[in-house]
Amino acid sequence: EAGVAQSPRYKIIEKRQSVAFWCNPISGHATLYWYQQILGQGPKLLIQFQNNGVVDDSQLPKDRFSAERLKGVDSTLKIQPAKLEDSAVYLCASSRTSLHEQYFGPGTRLTVT
Amino acid sequence: QQQVKQSPQSLIVQKGGIPIINCAYENTAFDYFPWYQQFPGKGPALLIAIRPDVSEKKEGRFTISFNKSAKQFSLHIMDSQPGDSATYFCAASQGGSEKLVFGKGTKLTVNP
Repeated sequence: EAGVAQSPRYKIIEKRQSVAFWCNPISGHATLYWYQQILGQGPKLLIQFQNNGVVDDSQLPKDRFSAERLKGVDSTLKIQPAKLEDSAVYLCASSRTSLHEQYFGPGTRLTVT
Repeated sequence: QQQVKQSPQSLIVQKGGIPIINCAYENTAFDYFPWYQQFPGKGPALLIAIRPDVSEKKEGRFTISFNKSAKQFSLHIMDSQPGDSATYFCAASQGGSEKLVFGKGTKLTVNP
């Protein structure tokens, strides 16, 4: 079974630029999560999708971050405009349902200069 | 607001030693306590998880001890190996694996 795929793996941008990350979850997984992992900290949930609907986006900075999961499969996370403090690893995870184990992708390391 | 406090921040042991990582939580509604292992450049992977109806769970060399009254849980790694060198995160949630709240992580180094 293929794991969670993410791209790009690395991205360097200047502040105020925009960036987008892509995630392809494990086939058949209805629940998809985006996390932000700042260096030296644990992952922090940004948004959770159930199929193509948002379940929880309470910690998503909605003035600059947006996410979508069209057709309930792939998902994109966008930051516009980026700030220096957005430098982090962005992790995507998926699970069969919200009651099942989460499987994480390798993440995208974002550096904002 | 940090709801799961993890210690120590880093830990160095010799091969065969038994590293112990501790976590404490605040929210008494939490009922799912997983531990994740993360290698550099990889995403976290579920190692072992426990629910509060048991005080201990073992899977291979990994053991979770759970103290509901103290709101603490810990990970023990028996006969640790250099391949166990990684960052370990505890987490907690209510009602399932969603809305996980993670600790800050413990970087474990097992020397040969």
